[in-house]
Amino acid sequence: GENVEQHPSTLSVQEGDSAVIKCTYSDSASNYFPWYKQELGKGPQLIIDIRSNVGEKKDQRIAVTLNKTAKHFSLHITETQPEDSAVYFCQYNFNKFYFGSGTKLNVKP
Amino acid sequence: GAGVSQTPSNKVTEKGKYVELRCDPISGHTALYWYRQSLGQGPEFLIYFQGTGAADDSGLPNDRFFAVRPEGSVSTLKIQRTERGDSAVYLCASSLLSTGELFFGEGSRLTVL
Repeated sequence: GENVEQHPSTLSVQEGDSAVIKCTYSDSASNYFPWYKQELGKGPQLIIDIRSNVGEKKDQRIAVTLNKTAKHFSLHITETQPEDSAVYFCQYNFNKFYFGSGTKLNVKP
Repeated sequence: GAGVSQTPSNKVTEKGKYVELRCDPISGHTALYWYRQSLGQGPEFLIYFQGTGAADDSGLPNDRFFAVRPEGSVSTLKIQRTERGDSAVYLCASSLLSTGELFFGEGSRLTVL
C-alpha cells in the first residue's frame, strides 16, 4: 500500500530463532494496527493487533510493538516453528485499508 | 460453516467476457470489503460497503469494475470486458466493526486468457 512500507520482503530463519517484521507508515490518523498471516491458497487471517493507546501486546510466541512517534509497528515471533512459515502482512487504516507488501517467512527445521 | 464464503473458487474466462464473483459474509457483519491480490503482492483495496451502500469505492481501478450489496449481506463484484491484467485472486472480507478484525474468504482466482 502506498501509505505503509513493510520490510523485509523475505526472511529465512532457523527453527527456534526469532523473527521480526516491521511496517512504517506515513500518516498519523490510524489507531488500529493489525498483523495478518496468509498461508498458501487461503485468505489472510488476523494473528495479533494493537490499538494506539498501548505500546506492546503479547500473545504466547507472538508480540506486536508500536512506536507512534517514529510511525512504525513490528511483529515479533519467538521460538519459530516450521508451521510459522507463511506470508505476513501488516495493515494500516487511513481512509482506505492498506496492506503492506508482505513478508515471506521461511522457518527451516 | 460460519466463515466468509466466496464463489467460484476458480474462474477461467476469455478476454472481453463478463464475470461475476460472489461473497457471502459472516452473518451479522455489516462491513464488507473487496480486495484484489496479485502473485507476490499484498491485498489491494477495491471497495468497502457499510450495510447496503458503498462507503468507499475509490479502489476500483476503472468503470469496468462494479460491486453491489443490495440487501446488506451477499455482495457481487462484477467485471465487464475482462482484460488479461484483471487476472488475480479476488478476496472478500467482512467485519463487525469498520475498524476491527477482517475475516477473509479463501478468494476467487480469476484467470483471463
